[in-house]
Amino acid sequence: GAGVSQSPSNKVTEKGKDVELRCDPISGHTALYWYRQSLGQGLEFLIYFQGNSAPDKSGLPSDRFSAERTGGSVSTLTIQRTQQEDSAVYLCASSFLAGFEQYFGPGTRLTVT
Amino acid sequence: AQSVTQPDIHITVSEGASLELRCNYSYGATPYLFWYVQSPGQGLQLLLKYFSGDTLVQGIKGFEAEFKRSQSSFNLRKPSVHWSDAAEYFCAVGAGAGGTSYGKLTFGQGTILTVHP
Repeated sequence: GAGVSQSPSNKVTEKGKDVELRCDPISGHTALYWYRQSLGQGLEFLIYFQGNSAPDKSGLPSDRFSAERTGGSVSTLTIQRTQQEDSAVYLCASSFLAGFEQYFGPGTRLTVT
Repeated sequence: AQSVTQPDIHITVSEGASLELRCNYSYGATPYLFWYVQSPGQGLQLLLKYFSGDTLVQGIKGFEAEFKRSQSSFNLRKPSVHWSDAAEYFCAVGAGAGGTSYGKLTFGQGTILTVHP
């Protein structure tokens, strides 16, 4: 079946602009996660959603980062006033339930110039 | 807080040789443990997982891993490496049900595997 999809695959933006990254989880998966992968920091957890519960935002690095999940499916990660240190690959994952194995999408490579 | 250490940043093996990638974790209760593989420009692919039960788990592509609670380790092994196994490998720990930070994964820094023909 279809896996996790993310769009765009690549995004180049100017410093100070806002960006939106999209994630479509595997159908039927109730939990959705965002991670960031960068050379200096490795793979870092950002935020996760489980069903209708309040999201766990404990990994968001600043208040410029936010995410929402509409209708328990598609999620959008928004970065406002982008900075060069935001350049990274943003990975989305989903799982049947929180705590189950996570399946990852191909990622969005964000470059802030 | 949970943490994962992969002591080897880069490992080189010859094709056909055996492989062991090391992973040590820190977690206060019974962890959920995972190994993922990432090829260049690709997302993460799940190789195998440990939740409970038999401490030797089998995964895809001929990989296996053994959970050793006394050593806080979850090392990945393969008896005979193929050139297509060249990639970066990540060990990850997740909190079990009822644990704090339930759901999110903490990853090690990764081990890059190079395979010589």
